[in-house]
Amino acid sequence: KAGVTQTPRYLIKTRGQQVTLSCSPISGHRSVSWYQQTPGQGLQFLFEYFSETQRNKGNFPGRFSGRQFSNSRSEMNVSTLELGDSALYLCASSPGQGFTEAFFGQGTRLTVV
Amino acid sequence: QKEVEQDPGPLSVPEGAIVSLNCTYSNSAFQYFMWYRQYSRKGPELLMYTYSSGNKEDGRFTAQVDKSSKYISLFIRDSQPSDSATYLCAMSVVPGNQFYFGTGTSLTVIP
Repeated sequence: KAGVTQTPRYLIKTRGQQVTLSCSPISGHRSVSWYQQTPGQGLQFLFEYFSETQRNKGNFPGRFSGRQFSNSRSEMNVSTLELGDSALYLCASSPGQGFTEAFFGQGTRLTVV
Repeated sequence: QKEVEQDPGPLSVPEGAIVSLNCTYSNSAFQYFMWYRQYSRKGPELLMYTYSSGNKEDGRFTAQVDKSSKYISLFIRDSQPSDSATYLCAMSVVPGNQFYFGTGTSLTVIP
């Protein structure tokens, strides 16, 4: 069974640009969550999508947005990039109903210069 | 105050030692508790999850939850060099993927 796939693995962007990250969940999983991981703050929840609907949202500015497609693949977008957005962005996949484990992808390492 | 506190370490132990990793939390509504292992440049890998209070054992790993003290632990028996990684605790209030993570404890097992 294929795991969670995130693309690209590495990105370098300039301050002020925007970026789109992609996540393909495990086949059959309908829930996708996004997390930002930084050395100082650890993993922080961005948002969760289930069946194309945002079900939960963390405490991040509106520059961070996401969507989920009918095949459960998800994209995350960050507009007007700031230096502080440099982080590892992780996507987690789960079946979505009831309590289930979340399986993480390898992450996308974003560097803003 | 962060909702989940975890000692960042680093923790260094000899091979074969018993390792104890801990987290405390402030939100009494947390009911689901997980431990993840993260190797360098990799995504977190789920080790164990438990619901509410109690113990759960899986091979060399034992997870304990004490909701009255708002304290969770992960014990690793007969530690191996391959256990060298960062260990993250995570918890949630309701089923779903809004997990609250500790900042992680870096563990090195010395051969």
